[in-house]
Amino acid sequence: ILNVEQSPQSLHVQEGDSTNFTCSFPSSNFYALHWYRWETAKSPEALFVMTLNGDEKKKGRISATLNTKEGYSYLYIKGSQPEDSATYLCAFPIYNQGGKLIFGQGTELSVKP
Amino acid sequence: DAGVIQSPRHEVTEMGQEVTLRCKPISGHDYLFWYRQTMMRGLELLIYFNNNVPIDDSGMPEDRFSAKMPNASFSTLKIQPSEPRDSAVYFCASSPKRSTEAFFGQGTRLTVV
Repeated sequence: ILNVEQSPQSLHVQEGDSTNFTCSFPSSNFYALHWYRWETAKSPEALFVMTLNGDEKKKGRISATLNTKEGYSYLYIKGSQPEDSATYLCAFPIYNQGGKLIFGQGTELSVKP
Repeated sequence: DAGVIQSPRHEVTEMGQEVTLRCKPISGHDYLFWYRQTMMRGLELLIYFNNNVPIDDSGMPEDRFSAKMPNASFSTLKIQPSEPRDSAVYFCASSPKRSTEAFFGQGTRLTVV
């Protein structure tokens, strides 16, 4: 059974704080790792698709790193803003099963003004 | 492209009734996925199609659930008969290639009373 685990489950921070959370995934048969942002009452939207060990991707104040050998990825948000409040999901595609995504349970981020 | 389109957005039905959820993927995407979101299990994959062919339906909970993709631009997920425990948000997603990012529809919130 493939397990994708995220921590923490929820996070409450003040506006301006920087924050980070973790996604752990199987290190064998790695192909890619996805990060999605899921705002309340909306649908998940892709943030990053990461494929290379040591890769770091950035989009505005949000960045992510990848360690495929040890099976983890970090998502960082610098200077959190209330509009960053969302659930952040990581997903592990299984290549030989059509790329079907196994999602973690997500980290729910709440940023207070 | 308008993105992945799902209908209806909300469905309330009585136990025992047949429910049909509909999805129009993004044109040109070869993969279509049906996910269900519940508090207990998060986002779980029910079934996915590649070029209109069902590839993996191991996530379909019971025989009461069925899915079809008669052509590249339309898919349905049917529950017959529906039960209260089927109440959840059902998402359809499509992706252009294996293991690339998934584009989600807005979801159908199903309530079975």
